[in-house]
Amino acid sequence: KNEVEQSPQNLTAQEGEFITINCSYSVGISALHWLQQHPGGGIVSLFMLSSGKKKHGRLIATINIQEKHSSLHITASHPRDSAVYICAVKVAGGTSYGKLTFGQGTILTVHP
Amino acid sequence: NAGVTQTPKFQVLKTGQSMTLQCAQDMNHEYMSWYRQDPGMGLRLIHYSVGAGITDQGEVPNGYNVSRSTTEDFPLRLLSAAPSQTSVYFCASQAEGASYNEQFFGPGTRLTVL
Repeated sequence: KNEVEQSPQNLTAQEGEFITINCSYSVGISALHWLQQHPGGGIVSLFMLSSGKKKHGRLIATINIQEKHSSLHITASHPRDSAVYICAVKVAGGTSYGKLTFGQGTILTVHP
Repeated sequence: NAGVTQTPKFQVLKTGQSMTLQCAQDMNHEYMSWYRQDPGMGLRLIHYSVGAGITDQGEVPNGYNVSRSTTEDFPLRLLSAAPSQTSVYFCASQAEGASYNEQFFGPGTRLTVL
């Protein structure tokens, strides 16, 4: 079993819909990252969380440390949101180096 | 400020050939990493460095070598390419310090080994 599990693996939505992508992990963590990867493109960091909730534009990320679960929400989805969304965790302890464990990614397609 | 750059973008090798994937960053970050991304699997750490002259193995280091002679550059060497090394390779850098510092990724190198 992977230490980081994302669901769903694939998600199709119509423009304007509210979208939720989930991430569950099985280890103690010091931080959780949400990343976005566009087709053929590089990877960009959307959020880093260690507790609570963060919001940036139409994107909202939440984390529940006790339940070892995080969600990424997209409000009023748009075709340009189509991408792979990746959850990654920094396992607690060890050095400050940000060695991350990644989920498999969620492929999001938003149709006009 | 170019961020993290990688060359080449695409490469085709024959089994047994060697090559070096280049990675450079201009943000003066101490930490740099190499990942590979394969279909159906998450990104996996190959090697990483916490500063010039210091490298360590990640999750899947076999078949790869790295060195870090300067803060800016972190090349990844394939000594004798194998079809199992067909993948997309990403380099990333991170500022030293807090564990939740953002990682900055390069655009990736798509490698095919025939």
